[in-house]
Amino acid sequence: SQELEQSPQSLIVQEGKNLTINCTSSKTLYGLYWYKQKYGEGLIFLMMLQKGGEEKSHEKITAKLDEKKQQSSLHITASQPSHAGIYLCGADSGGTSYGKLTFGQGTILTVHP
Amino acid sequence: GAVVSQHPSRVICKSGTSVKIECRSLDFQATTMFWYRQFPKKSLMLMATSNEGSKATYEQGVEKDKFLINHASLTLSTLTVTSAHPEDSSFYICSARGQPTEAFFGQGTRLTVV
Repeated sequence: SQELEQSPQSLIVQEGKNLTINCTSSKTLYGLYWYKQKYGEGLIFLMMLQKGGEEKSHEKITAKLDEKKQQSSLHITASQPSHAGIYLCGADSGGTSYGKLTFGQGTILTVHP
Repeated sequence: GAVVSQHPSRVICKSGTSVKIECRSLDFQATTMFWYRQFPKKSLMLMATSNEGSKATYEQGVEKDKFLINHASLTLSTLTVTSAHPEDSSFYICSARGQPTEAFFGQGTRLTVV
């Protein structure tokens, strides 16, 4: 079965700083999702990556998928308190099981004003 | 994007009772839905895959008789926690498989068993 390793597990930064969260897969990724969650609430979809070398950006968040499709990174530029939360990467199983996601353990981000 | 509605968002029930959680795809047909559980300060763990018109496929370690899943139509899947106990208290969230390759999540349900 596929396993996702997220790092770091937690991150505390000062407002305005840049940060990166990594997600490494034990298998080639069919599709990689990034979500943000406030604990106990639903998932906020950030981005989905499928192609090797793909990079997507939305506002101050950029996600990349490496060429080998086994590692993804999420980069936040000039962080703000509103970026605080739990960031989850999820790997799509693909094939007949597409839509079925395996999640990393999450990264808890705290942004101090 | 597609919308998945989950209801209720919060529920408190007495130990020994059953609770039903609904997951609806509002603007698309979902032949497959997924149910996840999240323990405090933990990530989401897949419980089962719900297929319209057939039996759900449960992940290893998930009790089929405790977590009953019904996918009666292309837009509705339900998860019933039977004879709930305090250890069943958790955050449950569903997702629906859309087209072409994307999963859309509901808002989640916080279950507290007292």
